[in-house]
Amino acid sequence: GAGVSQSPRYKVTKRGQDVTLRCDPISSHATLYWYQQALGQGPEFLTYFNYEAQPDKSGLPSDRFSAERPEGSISTLTIQRTEQRDSAMYRCASSFPGVKETQYFGPGTRLLVL
Amino acid sequence: DAKTTQPNSMESNEEEPVHLPCNHSTISGTDYIHWYRQLPSQGPEYVIHGLTSNVNNRMASLAIAEDRKSSTLILHRATLRDAAVYYCIPTGVQGAQKLVFGQGTRLTINP
Repeated sequence: GAGVSQSPRYKVTKRGQDVTLRCDPISSHATLYWYQQALGQGPEFLTYFNYEAQPDKSGLPSDRFSAERPEGSISTLTIQRTEQRDSAMYRCASSFPGVKETQYFGPGTRLLVL
Repeated sequence: DAKTTQPNSMESNEEEPVHLPCNHSTISGTDYIHWYRQLPSQGPEYVIHGLTSNVNNRMASLAIAEDRKSSTLILHRATLRDAAVYYCIPTGVQGAQKLVFGQGTRLTINP
């Protein structure tokens, strides 16, 4: 596609519910990243994929957070048993593999947990 | 990860040059210096990157100190559209690199 897309753009859920966020990267990009951005803060790394492999998930805050990219393109981020502290903007980025990779960010999904 | 220090905020006037400083004294010898910016209500976007030499592109220039412990992003003629939070981020050379965003500098442009 022309750019990174994310859906939904906004999600309101009740505490304890599970949510799944979706990222559709730029089609030629092998690497996909997930970041979490709290209001007024810079994005914080959660995890990344190289095709379908997930070499680094060190930023996932708890085992309630998981991500998948089964076919090496679209990725989903799932938060189980959501808590109010999970409320944030979730941003996806993709990059073409190589030296000095530039990351291209999507518009984000704003999650509000009530 | 190399630690960076940037001013919390800066202000400039439209059509004037803006120099945004960043200290990265613990940068590795092989780390690149990337700059990203985040416009209001948007995702971060790449601005420029460099290793040792000064770099220019259509958006900005990057001046890197000889000891590489600091760098300056230069917007030659700021426009209202340049109002954003600017982040300097040292990154490794090869492969996937998670971006570690600090607090960044919030740039305000006055008309």
